[in-house]
Amino acid sequence: AQTVTQSQPEMSVQEAETVTLSCTYDTSESNYYLFWYKQPPSRQMILVIRQEAYKQQNATENRFSVNFQKAAKSFSLKISDSQLGDTAMYFCAFMKGTGNQFYFGTGTSLTVIP
Amino acid sequence: DVKVTQSSRYLVKRTGEKVFLECVQDMDHENMFWYRQDPGLGLRLIYFSYDVKMKEKGDIPEGYSVSREKKERFSLILESASTNQTSMYLCASSLSGGFANYGYTFGSGTRLTVV
Repeated sequence: AQTVTQSQPEMSVQEAETVTLSCTYDTSESNYYLFWYKQPPSRQMILVIRQEAYKQQNATENRFSVNFQKAAKSFSLKISDSQLGDTAMYFCAFMKGTGNQFYFGTGTSLTVIP
Repeated sequence: DVKVTQSSRYLVKRTGEKVFLECVQDMDHENMFWYRQDPGLGLRLIYFSYDVKMKEKGDIPEGYSVSREKKERFSLILESASTNQTSMYLCASSLSGGFANYGYTFGSGTRLTVV
């Protein structure tokens, strides 16, 4: 079975600062994908970033980047130059390479303080 | 712009009522999913469907059923609503096969309160 753990229920960061959200996962699969989703107060879940497990290079999307440590089964999200619009719940998610189903973590509520 | 539309944003129902939550997607996606979201528990999969008239149980199917008569529509049914089904319900869709790993498109959620 796949499990995804987010150990930080709540975090806060000053505007323009950098924050890192943690995620660990457990799987026996060798081929899989990892995701970070953002859920702002509007409730619309938005894909932030996606990582393919077979790629060693960490994914980046503008101010968002990941630190993917496959051996440690760790997939943290770094948000640089935090903006007020980054205030949201962030979910880490896992998908098997041959599957269609996500396994989600319990979420981290991030507040960006002006 | 592609969309997953959930028919109601807020819903209040009485205990014992039969409740229908509707989800429609306009992306011709094969896969559709229903999750419930509760604080501290994240998103838990209730049911999913890989094709018309097909359904598979997720992690918490008890008390729920689903219907997928057309590719674009996936309905979640609470046969007899109970207070412990008060929650946020999220619908999602995705392509199948090798494209599934590009992720889901989500609806905006239905916050259901059972009184």
